[in-house]
Amino acid sequence: AQTVTQSQPEMSVQEAETVTLSCTYDTSESDYYLFWYKQPPSRQMILVIRQEAYKQQNATENRFSVNFQKAAKSFSLKISDSQLGDAAMYFCAYSKGGYGNKLVFGAGTILRVKS
Amino acid sequence: GAVVSQHPSWVICKSGTSVKIECRSLDFQATTMFWYRQFPKQSLMLMATSNEGSKATYEQGVEKDKFLINHASLTLSTLTVTSAHPEDSSFYICSAGGLIYEQYFGPGTRLTVT
Repeated sequence: AQTVTQSQPEMSVQEAETVTLSCTYDTSESDYYLFWYKQPPSRQMILVIRQEAYKQQNATENRFSVNFQKAAKSFSLKISDSQLGDAAMYFCAYSKGGYGNKLVFGAGTILRVKS
Repeated sequence: GAVVSQHPSWVICKSGTSVKIECRSLDFQATTMFWYRQFPKQSLMLMATSNEGSKATYEQGVEKDKFLINHASLTLSTLTVTSAHPEDSSFYICSAGGLIYEQYFGPGTRLTVT
């Protein structure tokens, strides 16, 4: 079975600084996707970034980027120029390739942003 | 685009009664929908996968007779919590599958059983 591990229950970052959230996963599949979701206090799940396993290039979305190390099964999220609005629970998630496959979530990391 | 709604957003019910939560994909058709349960400061726990026109697939440990899921159309899935008890109080989230890898999440429903 696939598993996703987030080893940092809580992280803090100063506004405008950079923070990295860690995630490791385990799978025997070759076709899969990895995601980072943000859940703010409203509890609405928001997709931050995704990575297709077959792509070697790390995904980037504005201030958010990932370090995808396929052999090590590591998928960390880097948030640059942190903003107060980045404060939220962040979940790393995995999905097998193909339509209609379920997401497997990590335990989550609470990110606090200090002003 | 790709909006998923849930209704109600918050419901309070008495112990022993049943409550129905609706999940709708507003601007797309979703063959597959997912139901999650989330306790405060914890991760999302998948309860079941709902496929239009067929029986839901429940995760291990989820009581299918207690959490009834119906996916009657390509835009609507419902979760009915039967004979609710205080321990069923939780935050329930649905998501709808789009093309390939996407899942679009609803805003969630807070259930409180008194």
